[in-house]
Amino acid sequence: DAGVTQSPTHLIKTRGQQVTLRCSPKSGHDTVSWYQQALGQGPQFIFQYYEEEERQRGNFPDRFSGHQFPNYSSELNVNALLLGDSALYLCASSFRGTGALYEQYFGPGTRLTVT
Amino acid sequence: AQKVTQAQTEISVVEKEDVTLDCVYETRDTTYYLFWYKQPPSGELVFLIRRNSFDEQNEISGRYSWNFQKSTSSFNFTITASQVVDSAVYFCALKDTGNQFYFGTGTSLTVIP
Repeated sequence: DAGVTQSPTHLIKTRGQQVTLRCSPKSGHDTVSWYQQALGQGPQFIFQYYEEEERQRGNFPDRFSGHQFPNYSSELNVNALLLGDSALYLCASSFRGTGALYEQYFGPGTRLTVT
Repeated sequence: AQKVTQAQTEISVVEKEDVTLDCVYETRDTTYYLFWYKQPPSGELVFLIRRNSFDEQNEISGRYSWNFQKSTSSFNFTITASQVVDSAVYFCALKDTGNQFYFGTGTSLTVIP
């Protein structure tokens, strides 16, 4: 049973460019959350997707957008990259059917470096 | 607003020593969940324990134990007889009724052989 997978593992982009990160949830999970973890900090919630819609959003600008596909996989898009967007981006999946999304499983993350 | 504070940025202990990682939280919700995660150098967060706000019973799992005290809004984590494999960054987190997770800044634990 595959866990949460993310691609790519590492990414280097130039300021002003756009980037797309991908996440496949754990089998049986229907909800995907994205987090940004800057160096030396805890993960910060970006947004959460369920039934192909953004359900909750943290304190992140509109440059951060996402999408969830019918197979529950998800993408995180960041436009107009800034140096401050350099971070580890974590995807977490869970199953909303239980009513409480506390069973979050995290992927290994994508390390984004903006130069 | 929800907040999780881990005042200890870095801790070093010698193997076999006991170590306690502190976590203090703030929330106005009456129903919430508290978590501890371990993040090894590989980066993947590993779930250690979950506690809901109505269950203050302490828990022990092998060398790990957790002390939840609502009166002081604390959820501390103790590793007994630490091992080198325990070296990692440990995060305390709170999940509110809106299903959003709030993480502390983490405590980096180094166990010296």
